[in-house]
Amino acid sequence: GESVGLHLPTLSVQEGDNSIINCAYSNSASDYFIWYKQESGKGPQFIIDIRSNMDKRQGQRVTVLLNKTVKHLSLQIAATQPGDSAVYFCAGAWGSYIPTFGRGTSLIVHP
Amino acid sequence: DGGITQSPKYLFRKEGQNVTLSCEQNLNHDAMYWYRQDPGQGLRLIYYSQIVNDFQKGDIAEGYSVSREKKESFPLTVTSAQKNPTAFYLCATRDSNSYGYTFGSGTRLTVV
Repeated sequence: GESVGLHLPTLSVQEGDNSIINCAYSNSASDYFIWYKQESGKGPQFIIDIRSNMDKRQGQRVTVLLNKTVKHLSLQIAATQPGDSAVYFCAGAWGSYIPTFGRGTSLIVHP
Repeated sequence: DGGITQSPKYLFRKEGQNVTLSCEQNLNHDAMYWYRQDPGQGLRLIYYSQIVNDFQKGDIAEGYSVSREKKESFPLTVTSAQKNPTAFYLCATRDSNSYGYTFGSGTRLTVV
């Protein structure tokens, strides 16, 4: 069945380093991918999205890369800051408006 | 400001009791969703509604019920049939021209 998963439950980085959070998906018919950030005790917030006809998309300090050949996407955060500490989810939508969410990677930024 | 309001933030339920979680939005979005989040798990879909007076079961609808009498409101009732209701519940809306969700701040339900 369809699935979206993240490779690592936890990622620890030093402040100022670049962070890379990975996600794999199983359905090659996927249309759209979204990254969300969830801080403790709060609802997820939209970070960036990418359509399946794109390989890369950049936002403010964030870049999402999509590799359809190996069904993999990643979220890169430049110059990671303590405020980036949160759980990051990827979600994939396959022709419907009901995304499938991964389990999340907890990003811990050490000062 | 436009947004989604979930209430209460914390809720305690006794065994055998039904409780209702509120979700209100002023974003004028047609679609609304309820998700359940457990520690270390992804978000699991409980119910969703694409339009007023219509709703569909998600992956884990057993023990839950919803209504959609108004566009702005999509309350979730956790019934006594839900044997393991302790979780963080998230309501979300979606604009009809977008895949992306806007989430509320969540309700943490605990069985006591």
